[in-house]
Amino acid sequence: GQNIDQPTEMTATEGAIVQINCTYQTSGFNGLFWYQQHAGEAPTFLSYNVLDGLEEKGRFSSFLSRSKGYSYLLLKELQMKDSASYLCAGMDSNYQLIWGAGTKLIIKP
Amino acid sequence: TAGITQAPTSQILAAGRSMTLRCTQDMRHNAMYWYRQDLGLGLRLIHYSNTAGTTGKGEVPDGYSVSRANTDDFPLTLASAVPSQTSVYFCASSDSGVNEQFFGPGTRLTVL
Repeated sequence: GQNIDQPTEMTATEGAIVQINCTYQTSGFNGLFWYQQHAGEAPTFLSYNVLDGLEEKGRFSSFLSRSKGYSYLLLKELQMKDSASYLCAGMDSNYQLIWGAGTKLIIKP
Repeated sequence: TAGITQAPTSQILAAGRSMTLRCTQDMRHNAMYWYRQDLGLGLRLIHYSNTAGTTGKGEVPDGYSVSRANTDDFPLTLASAVPSQTSVYFCASSDSGVNEQFFGPGTRLTVL
């Protein structure tokens, strides 16, 4: 079957670093996406990985290990506006996204 | 550019009534999707369309129907609403293949 697992909730301090993990199992694999979703809003695209390794984009980085079915999103220099849910999604062989339930990130001052 | 729009923003519907949720995109994307999002669950795909004139069933299609008469519009119809269809509905679009999906602002539907 297809499945995406990620923690339900995490708490971090403003200015710190946080790593949100995701494990995935999809029928075929066409990459791993991360989206950000603020409360009451639509998801917005953050990153895409299809090859093993780290992709850096400003304060946000995403890592993929295909052999382990594992990804993480790393957020540096946390700001209060980073309080949101972070959604992990794997793309299967039919180019459909399989979504995790999301990780709610709470930032404390 | 508007991107992708949905209407209505929110709706309260009596059980047994029908309703169409509207979705329009101006990005000329081939693929469009309808998801529902419920607390504690990931986005679940209801129906999708890879190109105008074609549609497909997603993970949770029962009780919903779609049409794709042209590139821009992808309406979702609930023929006879039930309380379990209370949810937030998101429409999304993307270019074909491996591409990010762009989401509309969502429709919050309550079925009583």
